[in-house]
Amino acid sequence: SQQGEEDPQALSIQEGENATMNCSYKTSINNLQWYRQNSGRGLVHLILIRSNEREKHSGRLRVTLDTSKKSSSLLITASRAADTASYFCATDGANDYKLSFGAGTTVTVRA
Amino acid sequence: DGGITQSPKYLFRKEGQNVTLSCEQNLNHDAMYWYRQDPGQGLRLIYYSQIVNDFQKGDIAEGYSVSREKKESFPLTVTSAQKNPTAFYLCASATTLNTGELFFGEGSRLTVL
Repeated sequence: SQQGEEDPQALSIQEGENATMNCSYKTSINNLQWYRQNSGRGLVHLILIRSNEREKHSGRLRVTLDTSKKSSSLLITASRAADTASYFCATDGANDYKLSFGAGTTVTVRA
Repeated sequence: DGGITQSPKYLFRKEGQNVTLSCEQNLNHDAMYWYRQDPGQGLRLIYYSQIVNDFQKGDIAEGYSVSREKKESFPLTVTSAQKNPTAFYLCASATTLNTGELFFGEGSRLTVL
């Protein structure tokens, strides 16, 4: 079953702008992860945030997690054309380590 | 270089034929997974394996079969019983089932003619 839901479905921004996307989920989790997928390619892991963490950074990426609202956000700062991709959140269950993926947010960065 | 290799990248099949997708990893990972991706949808779990000679059904296992005879290999067979097999198939692996981060292959796109 699909647990994570990303919002918005699509996002178009100018190079240099920030991109923010959100993920909501339904049941308790151990971890939440974000992945990137370039068109026609496999997924690449970006960042993992544990249920007891509230914020995590990796380079130009900032992820927040609010377990009370069952939601997470991914912020990409100073976007580049190479950031054009689909971004997926993935959650496991508190008692189940299988990952469930959302439908993704498609980000287009215009030069 | 360590990684996951899927083959073939593109595959065409006639209705009624079985087809096997290959997935090989040299990361020494115990856990391996098969996902299906349809346009505009997230990944759906077909089968997963925690260890050699063991595998479990995921959310959409009907019409698919797998084997795990070697740690490095987790082939997926799409049988004629799968009603709508045209999709993008992704194989992934992880250190263990509970590790978290998945490493993905580049995918295999299956088209049924």
